[in-house]
Amino acid sequence: NAGVTQTPKFQVLKTGQSMTLQCAQDMNHNSMYWYRQDPGMGLRLIYYSASEGTTDKGEVPNGYNVSRLNKREFSLRLESAAPSQTSVYFCASSRTSGINEQFFGPGTRLTVL
Amino acid sequence: GESVGLHLPTLSVQEGDNSIINCAYSNSASDYFIWYKQESGKGPQFIIDIRSNMDKRQGQRVTVLLNKTVKHLSLQIAATQPGDSAVYFCAENSGYSTLTFGKGTMLLVSP
Repeated sequence: NAGVTQTPKFQVLKTGQSMTLQCAQDMNHNSMYWYRQDPGMGLRLIYYSASEGTTDKGEVPNGYNVSRLNKREFSLRLESAAPSQTSVYFCASSRTSGINEQFFGPGTRLTVL
Repeated sequence: GESVGLHLPTLSVQEGDNSIINCAYSNSASDYFIWYKQESGKGPQFIIDIRSNMDKRQGQRVTVLLNKTVKHLSLQIAATQPGDSAVYFCAENSGYSTLTFGKGTMLLVSP
């Protein structure tokens, strides 16, 4: 099992460009999450999907959209990238939401110029 | 590697020492706690978890202690090794669908 995979690993964008970060899990998990990690800030939740067909905002949703494509895949879209979105993005999944260990992907380092 | 260690509290220990990493949580309603380890350039990795009906839980070389009275969580690592050098995060579930993560502590182990 690959666990949680993310693409791309690195990306550089110019201000105003759009892009989609892809995430997939092969653990048959119901819940999936997108976090961003900035120096000294820990992990902050952007959006999550408690189950297939549902998505909810997290702590820092502004400037992002998500799609739960199917049970395996959860994508994060930046419609018009801003320098403040320069960060490392992590996708995670868990068997169910709430009281469950979350498994993390390797991350995507995004730089917006 | 990642610059996630900037401005983080840092604990420096010698190889073979025991390490104690502390975490204060704010929500007395939190009923599940979890510790993660994050090595440079990698995603967080599960270490151990504990539910609020327990005070202590042990794993391999790690122990988590929960003090609900003062809302404090600690991670003890026995016989710390250079491979334990990483950033350690605590996280809590306060009854909702998600975990809330702390800012992390960097552990540096000298040989």
